[in-house]
Amino acid sequence: DAGVTQSPTHLIKTRGQQVTLRCSPKSGHDTVSWYQQALGQGPQFIFQYYEEEERQRGNFPDRFSGHQFPNYSSELNVNALLLGDSALYLCASSPPAAKNIQYFGAGTRLSVL
Amino acid sequence: GESVGLHLPTLSVQEGDNSIINCAYSNSASDYFIWYKQESGKGPQFIIDIRSNMDKRQGQRVTVLLNKTVKHLSLQIAATQPGDSAVYFCAENNAAGGTSYGKLTFGQGTILTVHP
Repeated sequence: DAGVTQSPTHLIKTRGQQVTLRCSPKSGHDTVSWYQQALGQGPQFIFQYYEEEERQRGNFPDRFSGHQFPNYSSELNVNALLLGDSALYLCASSPPAAKNIQYFGAGTRLSVL
Repeated sequence: GESVGLHLPTLSVQEGDNSIINCAYSNSASDYFIWYKQESGKGPQFIIDIRSNMDKRQGQRVTVLLNKTVKHLSLQIAATQPGDSAVYFCAENNAAGGTSYGKLTFGQGTILTVHP
């Protein structure tokens, strides 16, 4: 049984570019949450998707957007990249009716130059 | 408000010792807490959780204690092993809070180093 999988594992972009990160939830999970983890910090909640809609959002600008597909997989899009967007982006999935029980993937390391 | 740490605390122990990692949370409405372990290059790994109607919960080699009066959470690891070396995070959520349900708020983390 595969856990949460994320792609790519590493990514290098330049300022102003756009990036798309992908996440496949654990089998049987229907909710996906995205977090940003800066070096030496705890993860910060970006948003959560359930039934293909954004249900919760943290304090992130509109440059951060997402999508959930009918198979529960999800994408995180970041437009107009800034140097400060460099971080580890984590995806977590939750089983039905238990959105606070979250299992994380290994993350995508994004470097913005 | 969110739980925020000023520095990343560190804890060094010898193999076989018991470890205690502490966490202070700020939101008195939080009613669900999780401890995660994060090894270098990996995502956070679920260790144990506890709901606010409990003050203690035990797992395999781990115990979580919750003191709601002082908003304090601790993780005890028995017979610590080198493989326990990692960064440990506590996370909180208001599971009954409706608008914030599922939005985990993480602490800064504690670095645990276990010496053989």
